[in-house]
Amino acid sequence: LAKTTQPISMDSYEGQEVNITCSHNNIATNDYITWYQQFPSQGPRFIIQGYKTKVTNEVASLFIPADRKSSTLSLPRVSLSDTAVYYCLVGRNTNAGKSTFGDGTTLTVKP
Amino acid sequence: DAGVTQSPTHLIKTRGQQVTLRCSPKSGHDTVSWYQQALGQGPQFIFQYYEEEERQRGNFPDRFSGHQFPNYSSELNVNALLLGDSALYLCASSSLHGWSDRHSYEQYFGPGTRLTVT
Repeated sequence: LAKTTQPISMDSYEGQEVNITCSHNNIATNDYITWYQQFPSQGPRFIIQGYKTKVTNEVASLFIPADRKSSTLSLPRVSLSDTAVYYCLVGRNTNAGKSTFGDGTTLTVKP
Repeated sequence: DAGVTQSPTHLIKTRGQQVTLRCSPKSGHDTVSWYQQALGQGPQFIFQYYEEEERQRGNFPDRFSGHQFPNYSSELNVNALLLGDSALYLCASSSLHGWSDRHSYEQYFGPGTRLTVT
């Protein structure tokens, strides 16, 4: 299985930038790095995906070093509504069965 | 454009019974994956259907089976329910049609079906 390691929990305050790092030492050459957000009793929501270097969209940025053995999700200026569980996955749709969500990182944003 | 839909929203069954959950993928998607999420844990991959066939399977017993229809919708069947099958069952849709789709890992999840086995 493509295993990932994330911090179990993180706390932040409104308006701060939050960086969540994920380790994935056994990432395969063709694997993508994908982050999802999940609120209680809802399905995960796709946030961002990347293969190497840096990817940015309207919600977040994803930083991937050259060796691709880790990645960092950056959430700029978080708000209370960003309180959720964040999952890092490595893989691709053709090998989804070999990837695992793990237990994710619970981010709590405080006022 | 409707996203991924699942039915029913909630379900209560008795141990030993059988259950069928349904999923309609996002418009334009041809692949459906099913996940089981126990309380406080991340989703666990059950299986994936593409072109009406099971293409990949996670570490789940044969009591878990599925089907995909020509319109790409899918069903998850669980036989001989156990108390431990109580969970949120998630359906995710994606596409394996194009090269970029196959080399992506973007999935769209439905709201899930909460199954309680008593």
